[in-house]
Amino acid sequence: EPEVTQTPSHQVTQMGQEVILRCVPISNHLYFYWYRQILGQKVEFLVSFYNNEISEKSEIFDDQFSVERPDGSNFTLKIRSTKLEDSAMYFCASSEGQGYNEQFFGPGTRLTVL
Amino acid sequence: SQQGEEDPQALSIQEGENATMNCSYKTSINNLQWYRQNSGRGLVHLILIRSNEREKHSGRLRVTLDTSKKSSSLLITASRAADTASYFCAIYGGTASKLTFGTGTRLQVTL
Repeated sequence: EPEVTQTPSHQVTQMGQEVILRCVPISNHLYFYWYRQILGQKVEFLVSFYNNEISEKSEIFDDQFSVERPDGSNFTLKIRSTKLEDSAMYFCASSEGQGYNEQFFGPGTRLTVL
Repeated sequence: SQQGEEDPQALSIQEGENATMNCSYKTSINNLQWYRQNSGRGLVHLILIRSNEREKHSGRLRVTLDTSKKSSSLLITASRAADTASYFCAIYGGTASKLTFGTGTRLQVTL
């Protein structure tokens, strides 16, 4: 069964460093998302992406964040200058259509900022 | 806010018993989706129920939706130890592409 994959599974970085989190969505899906979950808290929406542009972004998704689909398969989240509070599990998701369809999530990347 | 609120926050049952989790929300929705998350792991999609549906089944899962009360419930029948996880409802409001997640119910199924 097709699934969303994410790499790395765990990333440790120093405050102020740039990180890139990678995702391979399900191949026939057209909508892509990033969410994050700070330890013990709810899953929070960051950004949605369709047709090579951002559809919607949350207040969390400030200028330090960017997303890109560099080729036909990968979808990346870049954090330019990480802060301690960026430590969280980051989930990529994809769906065939917009929110009317199921969103399938990857296993997540645990980001630890020291 | 469309935020879903699940209750109970935690539920402990014995294997073979049924588990019921509830989700309430505040605004109109297009659909509501239930997910399972094992400790520290990813989110597994369980079931989607649309606003014009009242009940859906998938294996041992039964989901109901009452749009007049703005609530949904997830019933897991004949629970197993492997069902131990956190369960989240997520709301799609139809005006944006995002899902808004609730706070989750932690289910513990003991032998």
